[in-house]
Amino acid sequence: DTGVSQDPRHKITKRGQNVTFRCDPISEHNRLYWYRQTLGQGPEFLTYFQNEAQLEKSRLLSDRFSAERPKGSFSTLEIQRTEQGDSAMYLCASSAGGTGELFFGEGSRLTVL
Amino acid sequence: AQKITQTQPGMFVQEKEAVTLDCTYDTSDQSYGLFWYKQPSSGEMIFLIYQGSYDEQNATEGRYSLNFQKARKSANLVISASQLGDSAMYFCAMREPPSGGYNKLIFGAGTRLAVHP
Repeated sequence: DTGVSQDPRHKITKRGQNVTFRCDPISEHNRLYWYRQTLGQGPEFLTYFQNEAQLEKSRLLSDRFSAERPKGSFSTLEIQRTEQGDSAMYLCASSAGGTGELFFGEGSRLTVL
Repeated sequence: AQKITQTQPGMFVQEKEAVTLDCTYDTSDQSYGLFWYKQPSSGEMIFLIYQGSYDEQNATEGRYSLNFQKARKSANLVISASQLGDSAMYFCAMREPPSGGYNKLIFGAGTRLAVHP
């Protein structure tokens, strides 16, 4: 399978714990995005990488959130001191060109108890 | 601020019939892009169709077509000959300008489509 893969697919954690999600984009794609989707809503933009550079961060990305893309390949999204409001689906997407089609992964669903 | 509105929380259609999913958008920019995505229960967002604001022809991709009415700021998705596998959530999205040449998308709340045999 050469699509966008995300791991883990599901994560249940207790409030206050740290969690990390990983995204492996399509190998030749240099653009990578993170979106968050809460129940009953469409996805919301979180952050964007071009190669290893993080070029934009949404105001939704509080100080407890950090995203990295070392070497411009896979990316990680870490949430520190999780809160119940962080419960959502975290979607990763990649694209080859600037405004080319986004290819999404199946998401990582986070439940904070 | 840019906004996408999908007024139909749920739609039903009989297999093999056509269905229209509504989408209106609000932007003051002249250059923008509109997208439709399908999200099955697996969670993956699947790209369906794209319309640029300067495209004069309505976009078509197989059984999907986009009814683009620029003056009314609407970009409705038409699915012809519905299939059972079309049952899913459908999201309309707009590329937020100025985006520096990348796809920072604003999504609507979605429409859940159920196709009945």
